[in-house]
Amino acid sequence: DIVMTQSPLSLPVTPGEPASISCRSSQSLLHSNGYSYLDWYLQRPGQSPHLLIYLGSKRASGVPDRFSGSGSGTDFTLKISRVEAEDVGVYYCMQVLQIPLTFGGGTKVEIK
Amino acid sequence: QITLKESGPTLVKPTQTLTLTCTFSGFSLSTGGVGVGWIRQPPGKALEWLALIYWDDDKRYSPSLKSRLTITKDTSKNQVVLTMTNMDPVDTATYYCAHRQLVSGFYWYFDLWGRGTLVTVSS
Repeated sequence: DIVMTQSPLSLPVTPGEPASISCRSSQSLLHSNGYSYLDWYLQRPGQSPHLLIYLGSKRASGVPDRFSGSGSGTDFTLKISRVEAEDVGVYYCMQVLQIPLTFGGGTKVEIK
Repeated sequence: QITLKESGPTLVKPTQTLTLTCTFSGFSLSTGGVGVGWIRQPPGKALEWLALIYWDDDKRYSPSLKSRLTITKDTSKNQVVLTMTNMDPVDTATYYCAHRQLVSGFYWYFDLWGRGTLVTVSS
């Protein structure tokens, strides 16, 4: 199985400031087609997860452009350019290159 | 508009079989490029993928749980059913179903999730 490791575990942020979350995979997520098979999800408190980023860097429909994904191979980053109050919750990365699909342990973003 | 809703028992006893139903609207599981998956989340813990079923009845399971899981679809009822045998207290979790969509002809993602249903395993 591909193991997904996220850091930090917890991230206190100040509204208006940037934030960055790291996700590392135990194997390369680079497909032979040149794309990275990685998604990012946000689970707000009391809600189900929703898709933010797919293919490592493409924003899902309706996702604000303050969210960006980058990286390749085994190292990926989710960045929020200017954190807003509605961005609090737990962020998960997920690899979709191979079965079993696996998630990172999550990064909890909270307002300072 | 796509919606999904999970239903099933909130409490099951150890060794019993759990049957969960995902009832959806806004799409058909007989249409190409569509699938439904199940993911669970123990209280306060991370997400764990369980199973997938596609429009062509292709099925995928988590290898660690494969012997206990069965996923089926009923396209006439717009439902996907997940059964999990031999339930244990460690299986206590919120169980989500999610719509899986093919994009750009080669990539699949979970773009919409149900609200989840909490299942507690206890005697």
